[in-house]
Amino acid sequence: GNSVTQMEGPVTLSEEAFLTINCTYTATGYPSLFWYVQYPGEGLQLLLKATKADDKGSNKGFEATYRKETTSFHLEKGSVQVSDSAVYFCALIVPSNYQLIWGAGTKLIIKP
Amino acid sequence: DAGVIQSPRHEVTEMGQEVTLRCKPISGHDYLFWYRQTMMRGLELLIYFNNNVPIDDSGMPEDRFSAKMPNASFSTLKIQPSEPRDSAVYFCASRKSSDYGYTFGSGTRLTVV
Repeated sequence: GNSVTQMEGPVTLSEEAFLTINCTYTATGYPSLFWYVQYPGEGLQLLLKATKADDKGSNKGFEATYRKETTSFHLEKGSVQVSDSAVYFCALIVPSNYQLIWGAGTKLIIKP
Repeated sequence: DAGVIQSPRHEVTEMGQEVTLRCKPISGHDYLFWYRQTMMRGLELLIYFNNNVPIDDSGMPEDRFSAKMPNASFSTLKIQPSEPRDSAVYFCASRKSSDYGYTFGSGTRLTVV
């Protein structure tokens, strides 16, 4: 079946550190891949997306590249800020039903 | 655009009472989703609608849960009777059929005591 696996959190980093949150997926066909972010007390917001292999999604300094050969979509940021503290969800959509399949979420804590 | 609007933001109710959660999707979005989020189970899809028609309600936990979408701009999720294990954050989301991007509301935090 279709599934998304994320690294377990929490991930704790100091401000200005480099961030990687790993995400791998299993899917039939050619899924589209997403990262959503949930700030404390808020709903989920689309952070970035990639719809085909080798696409790079980017937003707010975050990047993720759709790697079909490794079935991965790792989230990266070169220098994190305290304001990046949130829960990050990796997700995919398969064309057969267009429903989002979610990862479990990774809590990110950035210390000043 | 005001985004997806949910009400109320917080709801505290006693066990056995009826609870109604409301959602206004983004105008022009033809899909609407109801999710539940808990620490134990994460994000769960409860039900979704396409053009106001329920398509898949297999995620609705029990007959105590029901959802309606009487028109393109309004949906409700009702729990009757409510139980403490229903305590969670309930999110509504919408999207256009031509776009994979979901827009979420801010959620309703439900506490059943």
